[in-house]
Amino acid sequence: GQNIDQPTEMTATEGAIVQINCTYQTSGFNGLFWYQQHAGEAPTFLSYNVLDGLEEKGRFSSFLSRSKGYSYLLLKELQMKDSASYLCAVSDSNYQLIWGAGTKLIIKP
Amino acid sequence: DTAVSQTPKYLVTQMGNDKSIKCEQNLGHDTMYWYKQDSKKFLKIMFSYNNKELIINETVPNRFSPKSPDKAHLNLHINSLELGDSAVYFCASSQDKEGGGGPYEQYFGPGTRLTVT
Repeated sequence: GQNIDQPTEMTATEGAIVQINCTYQTSGFNGLFWYQQHAGEAPTFLSYNVLDGLEEKGRFSSFLSRSKGYSYLLLKELQMKDSASYLCAVSDSNYQLIWGAGTKLIIKP
Repeated sequence: DTAVSQTPKYLVTQMGNDKSIKCEQNLGHDTMYWYKQDSKKFLKIMFSYNNKELIINETVPNRFSPKSPDKAHLNLHINSLELGDSAVYFCASSQDKEGGGGPYEQYFGPGTRLTVT
C-alpha cells in the first residue's frame, strides 16, 4: 500500500529552527509537495521537490532523498504566525497525490 | 480576485437531506478536485475532473456525485446525508493535464464546513 508518515505534533520556540520530517512509500514517485494549513483555513502551497537535495525559499527550505523515501521541511527564525499544520504529499506514478495526515506545529513565545 | 471559490462556507442540515456545494475557479486550470477533511484533519481525495472527465474516484459512496458543467466549475452533490458526512469539504484546482506535464501545485478553495444533525 501507499503510506506517508509525519509526526502528529511538534512544539518549538519563537526565533528557533524546526525540522518536520516526512517518510513515504508509494507506487512510483513524481515529486513531493509541502503545504501549510492554518486552523480553519485552506492548505496553501509551500514547496515542491522532485530531485534530491535542498530547495531554499526564504525562511523555509525543503529537502528530498529519493533513495531513502525521505523529506523534511526546515523552518528558520520561527514566528508565531508559523503555527499551523504542515502537510506532506507525494505524487505517485499515476500523478495522484497521496497526502500525509499533517504535522501540527505549535510555536511558543 | 478569488482564485478558487466555494459556496456555501457553512452548511448545517439534517440526516437524509440532499445538498450541493458549488465550486468555481478562475485560474484557467484543467483539473479540479474535491477533498474531504475530517475531524482528525486528514485530507482525503474524493474526485478529480480533467476536461470534464472523471479521472479519480476513490472509495466514495455513490451518494456523492460530482458534476462539472464546464472546465471552471465542479459541484458536489450529496444525497441522503449521514452523520458521518460531517466534515470540511475543499475544492481545489491545478494545471495538471492528461498526458503530460506536472504534477503542479493545487490551489484550494476556502472550504465548506458541513454539519449533519
